[in-house]
Amino acid sequence: NAGVTQTPKFQVLKTGQSMTLQCAQDMNHEYMSWYRQDPGMGLRLIHYSVGAGITDQGEVPNGYNVSRSTTEDFPLRLLSAAPSQTSVYFCASSTDSGGRPDTQYFGPGTRLTVL
Amino acid sequence: GDSVTQMEGPVTLSEEAFLTINCTYTATGYPSLFWYVQYPGEGLQLLLKATKADDKGSNKGFEATYRKETTSFHLEKGSVQVSDSAVYFCALSDWGYQKVTFGTGTKLQVIP
Repeated sequence: NAGVTQTPKFQVLKTGQSMTLQCAQDMNHEYMSWYRQDPGMGLRLIHYSVGAGITDQGEVPNGYNVSRSTTEDFPLRLLSAAPSQTSVYFCASSTDSGGRPDTQYFGPGTRLTVL
Repeated sequence: GDSVTQMEGPVTLSEEAFLTINCTYTATGYPSLFWYVQYPGEGLQLLLKATKADDKGSNKGFEATYRKETTSFHLEKGSVQVSDSAVYFCALSDWGYQKVTFGTGTKLQVIP
């Protein structure tokens, strides 16, 4: 199993550009999430999904869109990049454990810089 | 809502010292509790977990006990090594909530 994969590893954008961060998992997990990690801020949840066709907002959703058309894939779209979106982005997946997420499996991250 | 509070870092210890990283939580239900570790340049990975009161999770010499009466899940290791230098995150997953709540992370630096 490859686990959770993310592409690209690094990306530099100019303000106003759009792009999609890719995330895929091959473990048939129901839950998938996107986090951003900024220095001194820990992890902040952007969007999450509990299954194909079902997504919801986390604590910092503005400027980002997601969709989940398959169990495996959960792309994150930046609509119009801003310098405040410079961060490291992590995708994670997990199974369900009695109505709540179990152990989170994280991808290696995408380091995004917006100039 | 649910929340996790963990001690501020960074924590600097000498090799073979005893480690404690405090974690307390607030939850409306009966959560599962986790410790994750993040090595430099990598994603988070599970270190240990506990799913009910008085359970002890353990892995790689680290331990944490689920204490419902004090709503705590403190991470301990008897003798740290330089290779334990990393950021440690406490987290919870609560019944009826479809997302995980993370603490802010505690950076540990172990010096030879």
